[in-house]
Amino acid sequence: QSALTQPASVSGSPGQSITISCTGTSSDVGGYDHVLWYQQHPGKAPKLIIFEVDNRPSGISTRFSGSKSGNTASLTISGLQAEDEASYYCCSYSDRVSAWVFGRGTDLTV
Amino acid sequence: EVQLVESGGDLVQPGGSLRLSCVASGFTFRSHWMTWVRQAPGKGLEWVANLRSDGGEENFADSVRGRFTISRDNSKNSLYLQMYSLRVEDTAVYYCAREAFFGRGAFDLWGQGTMVIVSS
Repeated sequence: QSALTQPASVSGSPGQSITISCTGTSSDVGGYDHVLWYQQHPGKAPKLIIFEVDNRPSGISTRFSGSKSGNTASLTISGLQAEDEASYYCCSYSDRVSAWVFGRGTDLTV
Repeated sequence: EVQLVESGGDLVQPGGSLRLSCVASGFTFRSHWMTWVRQAPGKGLEWVANLRSDGGEENFADSVRGRFTISRDNSKNSLYLQMYSLRVEDTAVYYCAREAFFGRGAFDLWGQGTMVIVSS
């Protein structure tokens, strides 16, 4: 499966905001609202932080927000905190391969 | 406690077979789609397979289709991944995950993972 395209790394200072992009095609990100974001700290299991483009599961900070325009989805983290330092993965359903596909991941340094 | 616990990971030679298990507790296992996701050392996440709550529909990634099977025993709150014809590139931590009711692909509960190493 072709992975969705994410920047390899982003960085920001505490209190700042950052945005991570996730670019796909009309067969995945652009064609469905099944776009999700996962956070993963080293050595830990991933954690769901955004589902269906812009929805947060219960317990996820409002500092995390998602959006989508065309074939590109975005995750914005505002008011960066040290604990946000982690890897972030976007995920979307792809009808080209009839499967869920992940981005290659973005390492966030705070 | 709501949790998923995987087991079965091991060192296996190329061409070998292995069965992974995932035991669920603290929630109504039989009501949820379940998924396997893997992560090669130092690499990103890769969706492997999923299975409908009643076991009646299954889907696989191209990379494992025809070599892996997925099954469940709802009476034992257990999910399985049977892996055949293992390749070096199947080396990874394998996670089982629960798909939430509130969104497709929303894997809201994950296990701690079990390591599979395929090497001669």
